[in-house]
Amino acid sequence: DAGVIQSPRHEVTEMGQEVTLRCKPISGHNSLFWYRQTMMRGLELLIYFNNNVPIDDSGMPEDRFSAKMPNASFSTLKIQPSEPRDSAVYFCASSGRALQETQYFGPGTRLLVL
Amino acid sequence: KQEVTQIPAALSVPEGENLVLNCSFTDSAIYNLQWFRQDPGKGLTSLLLIQSSQREQTSGRLNASLDKSSGRSTLYIAASQPGDSATYLCAVPSGGGADGLTFGKGTHLIIQP
Repeated sequence: DAGVIQSPRHEVTEMGQEVTLRCKPISGHNSLFWYRQTMMRGLELLIYFNNNVPIDDSGMPEDRFSAKMPNASFSTLKIQPSEPRDSAVYFCASSGRALQETQYFGPGTRLLVL
Repeated sequence: KQEVTQIPAALSVPEGENLVLNCSFTDSAIYNLQWFRQDPGKGLTSLLLIQSSQREQTSGRLNASLDKSSGRSTLYIAASQPGDSATYLCAVPSGGGADGLTFGKGTHLIIQP
């Protein structure tokens, strides 16, 4: 298996622009998670899906952030409009059907908003 | 709200030493605890997952223990090698069950050749 795939790996954009991050989970996994990592705050959960349904989005910082999972093999995290404080590494992770299984992380998208 | 603390924040030791990384969490009602490794500029790699019913897990030179009642876990690395240099992160479910994780800030480990 190729593991969790994220794109793009790096994104540089200007303040006010729309940013879309993409994730393909491991085939057969039914839970998908979006995390953000910064030096100041460490790793934080933004949102997670179970069977394509958003379960907990309490970590989404503002209405500027939105996430979708239209099918079991694809998810997007969108920021509109982007701000410099959104600069971070965004990770996608997935886990299997059984409860309490290991989460497998993608390589992350490094976002820089100028 | 679950909070996870890792001590020390950074550690530098000569190659060959045995070492212990510490993790504490505030809410002991957890289903499991995971230890991850993160290399610079990379994603996270799961090292060990301990279920709440277990007291420890071993993988090669790594041994992780869990004491739910006291809200603590330790990761023991035996005979450390330069390739072990990385940041080690401890994580517990934020609200129990199959949900997102709450992470500690990590221990940045350097093994000197």
